[in-house]
Amino acid sequence: QSALTQPPSASGSPGQSVTISCTGTSSDVGGYNYVSWYQQHPGKAPKLMIYEVSKRPSGVPDRFSGSKSGNTASLTVSGLQAEDEADYYCSSYAGSNNFVFGTGTKVTVL
Amino acid sequence: EVQLVESGGGLVQPGRSLRLSCAASGFTFDDYAMHWVRQAPGKGLEWVSGISWNSGSIGYADSVKGRFTISRDNAKNSLYLQMNSLRAEDTALYYCAKAATMTPPDYWGQGTLVTVSS
Repeated sequence: QSALTQPPSASGSPGQSVTISCTGTSSDVGGYNYVSWYQQHPGKAPKLMIYEVSKRPSGVPDRFSGSKSGNTASLTVSGLQAEDEADYYCSSYAGSNNFVFGTGTKVTVL
Repeated sequence: EVQLVESGGGLVQPGRSLRLSCAASGFTFDDYAMHWVRQAPGKGLEWVSGISWNSGSIGYADSVKGRFTISRDNAKNSLYLQMNSLRAEDTALYYCAKAATMTPPDYWGQGTLVTVSS
């Protein structure tokens, strides 16, 4: 049950795009289409942004998109806005009723 | 409106026990799986345990296996986490979260803080 690997930080100017990777193994990210992404602002609970690799919950802007290739999932935030500055975490089903989270990425809007 | 309200956190000595509770409302509790996820101060998220709608499927992180027990009471719309043999490294904010099935969480409570210290 090793944590999924994310870059510690990512940044972009307002209006630009930023992509965050989430690398696991064939036993988690690569083996199931149950990858979710969460946004967490300081002192707040995480909020679901993407589920099942690329699906967006109601109310999440379409600026947020998800994809997966092999053992790596990605979250792209297009048209960066100031309110997108937050920590982002991925999560994946890892088989046998187990789950794993990513190490987290701090997104800074320059 | 979905509400998940955790309780039971506090300061506890190493080796002692604590029981967390999560009161759910605003959705049909027994239609959903539930999770406990923790976050140590200044650190990332760590999945702790998950339970299916009927308690038929349960999973634990290796770090808590054998020490923590997850359970639910669908009649009371409540989720629990019995934590035994607590260690300093269990210090964290513990979140209760719901999920459609045994999938990653889709909605989180605000958390309850557990501090393990002598």
